[in-house]
Amino acid sequence: LAKTTQPISMDSYEGQEVNITCSHNNIATNDYITWYQQFPSQGPRFIIQGYKTKVTNEVASLFIPADRKSSTLSLPRVSLSDTAVYYCLVGGYSGAGSYQLTFGKGTKLSVIP
Amino acid sequence: DSGVTQTPKHLITATGQRVTLRCSPRSGDLSVYWYQQSLDQGLQFLIQYYNGEERAKGNILERFSAQQFPDLHSELNLSSLELGDSALYFCASSARRQGANYGYTFGSGTRLTVV
Repeated sequence: LAKTTQPISMDSYEGQEVNITCSHNNIATNDYITWYQQFPSQGPRFIIQGYKTKVTNEVASLFIPADRKSSTLSLPRVSLSDTAVYYCLVGGYSGAGSYQLTFGKGTKLSVIP
Repeated sequence: DSGVTQTPKHLITATGQRVTLRCSPRSGDLSVYWYQQSLDQGLQFLIQYYNGEERAKGNILERFSAQQFPDLHSELNLSSLELGDSALYFCASSARRQGANYGYTFGSGTRLTVV
């Protein structure tokens, strides 16, 4: 399983765009990149997933360069409610309904008023 | 509501005791994963079951065991509990590949406190 490296913590003011970069040098050809958000005492929640280039949904964008050795989660105009831990995962479907995804330490994002 | 149900939400027990945590996966999901999250720690993968069979094992202690039943719900059994076992225990389920949106769906967790 590919190992991921991301900053331990980040601070941002409300209304700003936040970019969290994750390194995954050993990503395999079949691996997808998935980001989860976790609030204290809650289970992680899926944010976005991508394989290459750019993916955008209603809450975030995910930028993946051609070599796929890193990815950047972009949160537009963060609010206080975006204060959470963000996990970057690399892995994918391993057959028969199974997914091999490994959680790292995550990035603790603190949004300041 | 994620569709993954975990009970109980909170559990307080004494050292040396045994507890059982229960997880009902999303309807139709065949895989169940158990994770442990200690205070200020990341999510540690414990074990995975697929359609009743053990599929993968992570950092699960010998004092811990799990099983998945024919109705696909899963139980995580923790025995000879120690203070260090106090943690949040999460269950997640996954479905067969569904296009571009796949991965884990987590429950809200069981907070275990060993005193």
